Amino acid sequence: GAGVSQSPRYKVAKRGQDVALRCDPISGHVSLFWYQQALGQGPEFLTYFQNEAQLDKSGLPSDRFFAERPEGSVSTLKIQRTQQEDSAVYLCASSTRTGAPNEQYFGPGTRLTVT
Amino acid sequence: QKEVEQDPGPLSVPEGAIVSLNCTYSNSAFQYFMWYRQYSRKGPELLMYTYSSGNKEDGRFTAQVDKSSKYISLFIRDSQPSDSATYLCAMTGNNRKLIWGLGTSLAVNP
Repeated sequence: GAGVSQSPRYKVAKRGQDVALRCDPISGHVSLFWYQQALGQGPEFLTYFQNEAQLDKSGLPSDRFFAERPEGSVSTLKIQRTQQEDSAVYLCASSTRTGAPNEQYFGPGTRLTVT
Repeated sequence: QKEVEQDPGPLSVPEGAIVSLNCTYSNSAFQYFMWYRQYSRKGPELLMYTYSSGNKEDGRFTAQVDKSSKYISLFIRDSQPSDSATYLCAMTGNNRKLIWGLGTSLAVNP
């Protein structure tokens, strides 16, 4: 079966542009996570969905960041008015159960470069 | 001070060496401790998982957790060039929000 897929793999945006990053989780996975990984850093939690419900968005760095998962499968992370500090790899992970923190399967990430 | 501290390295060892990687943390609520491996331009891949204190072994890999010292370790025996990657520790309490170390870059030289 397919793993977590993300698109696009690479995105270059000019400062001020809006971008949308897509995550296709593993089929049937209930939980979905977004992380931001800056160069040379570990991932930082952004937000978490269980089905279509966004249960935790405490890691979103500003109101320019918005995530949705309207049908409980595919998720989109949108960044409005991008800034240079938004340049990072955006990782998506999915999980099959609610009680297993270790069971997060990661996609390859989308590398965003803001010029 | 970050909740999870990890020396970023880089660490360079000869093939066959025993590698020791470690992280310290400050939040006593953490109960789940993971080690991930990340190759360049790839997503993290789970290597080892430990709940609470203790040791866990899987092939050439051993994970140790000492909650009293807030210290976790990953040992790699008989290291191979294919082990060259960044190793990230991650941990959480019950809320499934993973808190990560910086990652340690490892190079195993043939």
